[in-house]
Amino acid sequence: EDQVTQSPEALRLQEGESSSLNCSYTVSGLRGLFWYRQDPGKGPEFLFTLYSAGEEKEKERLKATLTKKESFLHITAPKPEDSATYLCAAYGGYNKLIFGAGTRLAVHP
Amino acid sequence: GAVVSQHPSRVICKSGTSVKIECRSLDFQATTMFWYRQFPKQSLMLMATSNEGSKATYEQGVEKDKFLINHASLTLSTLTVTSAHPEDSSFYICSARDWGDPKTNYGYTFGSGTRLTVV
Repeated sequence: EDQVTQSPEALRLQEGESSSLNCSYTVSGLRGLFWYRQDPGKGPEFLFTLYSAGEEKEKERLKATLTKKESFLHITAPKPEDSATYLCAAYGGYNKLIFGAGTRLAVHP
Repeated sequence: GAVVSQHPSRVICKSGTSVKIECRSLDFQATTMFWYRQFPKQSLMLMATSNEGSKATYEQGVEKDKFLINHASLTLSTLTVTSAHPEDSSFYICSARDWGDPKTNYGYTFGSGTRLTVV
C-alpha cells in the first residue's frame, strides 16, 4: 500500500535555528514528490516538486532534497513567518496525490 | 500562475440541510478536479476525483449519496453535502489539475478551503 510518513509531527524552533523535516515514502512508481505549506484555515500552497533521486530545489530559506526512500525539507535560519504546517505528498501515477500527516512548525522570536 | 477559487470559505448549517461548495479554476481549464477533507491536525484525505462530463470516482469509504459531486464545465466543480450532520463538520478543500509546466508543479493547485460547521 502506498504510504507517506512525515516526521516530526511538530517542531518548535528559535528564530535562526536551522533544522530539517523528513518525509518517508513507499510509493510504487513515484513520479513526483511535492512539498506544500499550509497556513491555518487555508489550502496548501505549492513549494517544490522533486522528480528523481538526487534532485534538490531551493526557495529562499527552504531547500528540498530527494532520495529513493525519503525527502527532506531543510529550513535555514527560519523566521517567525515560516511558522506553518508543511505537507509532503507523493504522486505515483494513480492520478492522485498521497499526503503525509504534515509537520507543524513553530518558529519563535 | 494557476488559481483555484473556492466558495464559501465558511458555512454554518443546521443538521439535516444540504450545503453546496463551489470550486472554480479561474485562468485554466480543469478536466480533473479533486475534493479533499481535512480534520484538525490531520492531513488531507482524498474523497473523490471529479472528471468533467462524467461521474466522479469516489474513494473507498466515501458515501456517494452523501457527498454529491458535479463537474459540469471545464472550470467548475461542486460538492454538495446532503442531509448534513455534525459529524460532517470538517475542512473541505478542492484541487484542480492544470496541465501547465510540469517542472514547476505537475499541475496541482489548491483552493483556499471551506470550513463547514453543522449544528
